[in-house]
Order: sequence, then structure tokens, then C-alpha cells
Amino acid sequence: SQTIHQWPATLVQPVGSPLSLECTVEGTSNPNLYWYRQAAGRGLQLLFYSVGIGQISSEVPQNLSASRPQDRQFILSSKKLLLSDSGFYLCAFEPGHISSGSPLHFGNGTRLTVT
Amino acid sequence: AQSVSQHNHHVILSEAASLELGCNYSYGGTVNLFWYVQYPGQHLQLLLKYFSGDPLVKGIKGFEAEFIKSKFSFNLRKPSVQWSDTAEYFCAAANNAGNMLTFGGGTRLMVKP
Repeated sequence: SQTIHQWPATLVQPVGSPLSLECTVEGTSNPNLYWYRQAAGRGLQLLFYSVGIGQISSEVPQNLSASRPQDRQFILSSKKLLLSDSGFYLCAFEPGHISSGSPLHFGNGTRLTVT
Repeated sequence: AQSVSQHNHHVILSEAASLELGCNYSYGGTVNLFWYVQYPGQHLQLLLKYFSGDPLVKGIKGFEAEFIKSKFSFNLRKPSVQWSDTAEYFCAAANNAGNMLTFGGGTRLMVKP
């Protein structure tokens, strides 16, 4: 079966510290991968998406970056966190390579608090 | 630019009341539409989706949504809500050439027992 794992579940980091959130997918090959952020009181915002290894597209310019070192691994990073980076980060995947409008499958999310 | 709007940010209902959550989208071309739900402490889950065909879509837990192309709308409905429907509901859209979901701002539903 297809599953998605995202960790850590919660994270408290000081301003200026680095960030690394990891997401892995099982049970499918060459998935499309996504990072979303849900800020308090706001909707979901697409941050990055990837259609293949090493292929990253950014939707919103900011101090975050994403990488896809392996087919089913998607990492969200920052060199120096800002207070405004606090929020709920969600990884999601779409099975397979050719998009057919199939629904996304979301991970359980990471609640990041930057202090 | 593609966008999805949910005009109700907070909705409070009593049990057995009827529910309708509005969703309007702005997309060129053919669009795929989704409703996701996030129960307290849980991850996002798909409620229902529309790709083509019958514009009235039935989802899980008694939810349904109607695609009205002329109004660019995909409103979510349930005839009789339960306390367990308390959650945040997100409308989302993507064009069928890809699956770059654009989400609405979400509607937080609270059902009073």
C-alpha cells in the first residue's frame, strides 16, 4: 500500500537556526511530491513541488528550499529560520508519473514554531 | 491567475442543521475540483472530487458537492450535520494538465451538540 511518512511531528527552533524536514513515500514509484504550508488562520499554500529526482519548482520566493535526493524522498530546508516561518508544514504525494488529476495524499504534518 | 475562494471562514451550526460551504474558483480550461477535510489533530483527508460527468458528486460521510460551471462554483453540502463533522474544510482545484492543487483559505466548521 502507498504510505507517506513525515517527521518530525513538532519542532521548536530559534530564529536563525537551520531547518530540515523530511518526507518519504512508500509503495509507489516516481511520485509527484509537494510541500505545503498552513499558517495559523490561513489556508494551504503550495511551497514546492517535484516531478522527479533533482527537479524542484518553487511557487513562492522565500528563505526555504527543497531537495529531492531520491525518488521517494523530499526534504524541506532553511539555512536561517525567520519568525514568519512558523506554521504547519505538510508533505503530499501523487502516485505515479503522469498526472491524471488524482487526489493528493497528505502526511501528518510538522508543526514548526520559531521562537 | 488561478485562485480558489472560500467565503465562509467560520461556520457554527447545531446538530441536524443543514450545511452548505461555498467554494468558487478561477481557472482557465478544464478543472478538477476537490474537497478535503482536516479533523482536529488529524491529517488532511479527501472528502470528494469532481473530474467530469455528473456534476453532483457524492463523497464520504454523507457529504456531496455540486459543480456549477456557469457559476465557477463547487459548494459542499450535507443535509444534517453531526458533532463529529467539526473540522476544517478546504476546497481545492487543479487543471487536468497537471495536479498543482490550489487551495482555498479553508472553512472552520463547529457543530454544537
